[in-house]
Amino acid sequence: DTGVSQNPRHKITKRGQNVTFRCDPISEHNRLYWYRQTLGQGPEFLTYFQNEAQLEKSRLLSDRFSAERPKGSFSTLEIQRTEQGDSAMYLCASSLEIASYNSYEQYFGPGTRLTVT
Amino acid sequence: AQSVTQLGSHVSVSEGALVLLRCNYSSSVPPYLFWYVQYPNQGLQLLLKYTTGATLVKGINGFEAEFKKSETSFHLTKPSAHMSDAAEYFCAVTMISNFGNEKLTFGNGTRLTFIP
Repeated sequence: DTGVSQNPRHKITKRGQNVTFRCDPISEHNRLYWYRQTLGQGPEFLTYFQNEAQLEKSRLLSDRFSAERPKGSFSTLEIQRTEQGDSAMYLCASSLEIASYNSYEQYFGPGTRLTVT
Repeated sequence: AQSVTQLGSHVSVSEGALVLLRCNYSSSVPPYLFWYVQYPNQGLQLLLKYTTGATLVKGINGFEAEFKKSETSFHLTKPSAHMSDAAEYFCAVTMISNFGNEKLTFGNGTRLTFIP
């Protein structure tokens, strides 16, 4: 168990560029979450996957944001035409839920810090 | 809708002193409650959780929290703080939404620092 990993750890981009982040969850975890954390605030929910299906998206997730989880393993979060307001820490979390057991515990990765100049 | 309020964005204590970080929640259904810790430039680590059962829950690193339904509170305590506890602490609540989504709603965090 190597934990949740995220790449890159830091990304600096110019306004208007596209960026893509990757999250590798704990291998057997079937649920995956993306959150966004801005300075001085707690993380805010963006989107949720159960296996490969994206089942819920926050209203925070504008049309410029898209997330995928092909084959129910790693996930990517893409932001198109970045804006300065997109500058934040993007956190990924995973959890395991099976019919007979639910720990309700989400394991977080270290995050990707995005700076839009 | 659910929400979390953490009273005090910044708490300073002396090493060895009692730590008390306050959290109040709002939820229309019985909540599941969590405390997470975040060290600089790192992700969040679960300290403890309340789902059902005993209302006093013990977590890692000597922390504990008590669920008080009548006060809608879930305050975090540690009897004797250590310098290594300096970090940001987040209280969170979840309820099971459609499709089994257990999304967390976080408070704004409380930064714990130490008085030299």
